[in-house]
Amino acid sequence: AQKVTQAQTEISVVEKEDVTLDCVYETRDTTYYLFWYKQPPSGELVFLIRRNSFDEQNEISGRYSWNFQKSTSSFNFTITASQVVDSAVYFCALSGPTSGTYKYIFGTGTRLKVLA
Amino acid sequence: GAGVSQTPSNKVTEKGKYVELRCDPISGHTALYWYRQSLGQGPEFLIYFQGTGAADDSGLPNDRFFAVRPEGSVSTLKIQRTERGDSAVYLCASSLWGGGAENEQFFGPGTRLTVL
Repeated sequence: AQKVTQAQTEISVVEKEDVTLDCVYETRDTTYYLFWYKQPPSGELVFLIRRNSFDEQNEISGRYSWNFQKSTSSFNFTITASQVVDSAVYFCALSGPTSGTYKYIFGTGTRLKVLA
Repeated sequence: GAGVSQTPSNKVTEKGKYVELRCDPISGHTALYWYRQSLGQGPEFLIYFQGTGAADDSGLPNDRFFAVRPEGSVSTLKIQRTERGDSAVYLCASSLWGGGAENEQFFGPGTRLTVL
């Protein structure tokens, strides 16, 4: 079965602190994709990143960075120097051929609160 | 260009009534998806359309739920004899092509359905 676990239900940080959101996944597929989405209070899921299982390079985009480790089945997301506008619910998702690559399996999300 | 739009943004109905939720995908996107997001959970897949046909409707919870996409663009999710357990946010997403996770899904703001 495919599964995504986001153990952190809610995290609160003070502005300018760094914060890491954890994502652990389970899959039997050898080829799969991992995603992170941001869901601000408006409700619309905003795409942040897609990672192919064969590409284990870490990625940095501005204040955002992602650490993909196949050995621990984790795809963690770090926000550096957090800002109030980063406050949202963040979802990690997985897709693969077992369930259908178009069918995203989402975790339960981590609510991030950045306090001014 | 315009993103995915969904109407209405909020729908309150009484138990047993029929409701229709509409999704307008991004122009030119051939694939369309419906997800359901219950409170405190991540989105759960309902159905995937490639063009006019439902390529995978395995996520529809029961036969009270039905979706159409007659002209390969706008889609309508229809729920008959609504139950209180149907209360959730219904999200629609579209992608340029379907069938592969390399085409990221762009989500709309959702329709919040409340069944009293």
